[in-house]
Parts: sequence; structure tokens; C-alpha cells
Amino acid sequence: DGGITQSPKYLFRKEGQNVTLSCEQNLNHDAMYWYRQDPGQGLRLIYYSQIVNDFQKGDIAEGYSVSREKKESFPLTVTSAQKNPTAFYLCASSIGNQNQPQHFGDGTRLSIL
Amino acid sequence: KQEVTQIPAALSVPEGENLVLNCSFTDSAIYNLQWFRQDPGKGLTSLLLIQSSQREQTSGRLNASLDKSSGRSTLYIAASQPGDSATYLCAVTGYSTLTFGKGTMLLVSP
Repeated sequence: DGGITQSPKYLFRKEGQNVTLSCEQNLNHDAMYWYRQDPGQGLRLIYYSQIVNDFQKGDIAEGYSVSREKKESFPLTVTSAQKNPTAFYLCASSIGNQNQPQHFGDGTRLSIL
Repeated sequence: KQEVTQIPAALSVPEGENLVLNCSFTDSAIYNLQWFRQDPGKGLTSLLLIQSSQREQTSGRLNASLDKSSGRSTLYIAASQPGDSATYLCAVTGYSTLTFGKGTMLLVSP
């Protein structure tokens, strides 16, 4: 089946540790996105990439980093500089045209030990 | 900066009722508006996408309208069912990214 796979589903981080969240898609989509969702809040954009080897900061990029070496993959690293990383992280992809819908993965829940 | 507001924040109705969820946005320069459904602990499922040139879209029991000039959209759910219980999110597409509202949490009781 075509879709977006996020792993792991649950992730725990110790203070001062970097962690990487995986996002893989087999939809042949050009654009990929990372969002953060806090309880009772809408989604906020962290980073997005419209093409391989290129990405842009979203509204809340501080403390996060990404790479886009392959079309299918857009991993997100939550660095130790992110002081409040506990949240639900969602990855999405789209064809790349603004008039096409984004498709979402099932998310990764990150918690601090 | 675009802001998206959804009213009400939560809604509880008995099964069978027709209901309306509201979404408003501050900047009318949008490409489209999307309505999503989110079940607890899950990702988002796209329900309807309305292009900026369109007035409404329909899918089954769902009908979404768009009034771009006034910055408003509504999602109409006919004959609600317990399986419709979820959070419904509205999002508008600007130059290249989506801006989301905080959602309406819907509970449909049997």
C-alpha cells in the first residue's frame, strides 16, 4: 500500500540527548513536511522540503534539524537545544502543487525521561 | 500572519443530528482550504479540499463551503453517527504551507 510511515510510534529522550524521528513515503511525492502538535493545539510547521537536497524553516524550527538526501525520506532530529520537545510529531507529504492535499503519517509521540 | 480560528472548540450531539463546524481565517489570499479528521493518537485524514475558486465540496454526508471574501468556511455533517466522533481540523494553504486551526472535538452519542 502507498503511504507515509513514521517510526517509532513512541520515543523517549533523556535530557541533553539528540533523537531522530523517521519519515518514509512511497507515494512519489516531491514535498514533505514536519509538524508539531501540542495538546489542544493545532499543528505548527517545523520544516518542509519541496525537493531533494533542499528544505526551509517553518514557524518553529529552533532546536530541530532535517535532511532530505532521498525523495522518499525526510528525517527530523530533535536536538538538545529544543527545551520543550515533548509533543506529538506528524510528517506529511504532497505532490508539491499547492492545490493538492497533504497526506499524513500516524505520528511519533516524543516524551522526556 | 495568517490565523485560523475554529468554533466551537468542542461539541457533543446525539446520534442522527445534523451539525455545522465553523472555521475562519484572517488573510483571504489562500490557494485552498482543507478539512481534516483526527482520531485520538493518530495522524490526519483529509476529508475535503476546496480550491479558492470553488464555493463548496461534497463527499457523502459531508459538505464544506468556502466564502473566501469573508474568510469563512463551514463543514456540515448530515445525520451524525457515533463513528463521526473525532477532532476536525481546518487548514488554509498560503504560498507553500498550511496554517491550521486548533480543531473542534466532536462527540456523537448513541
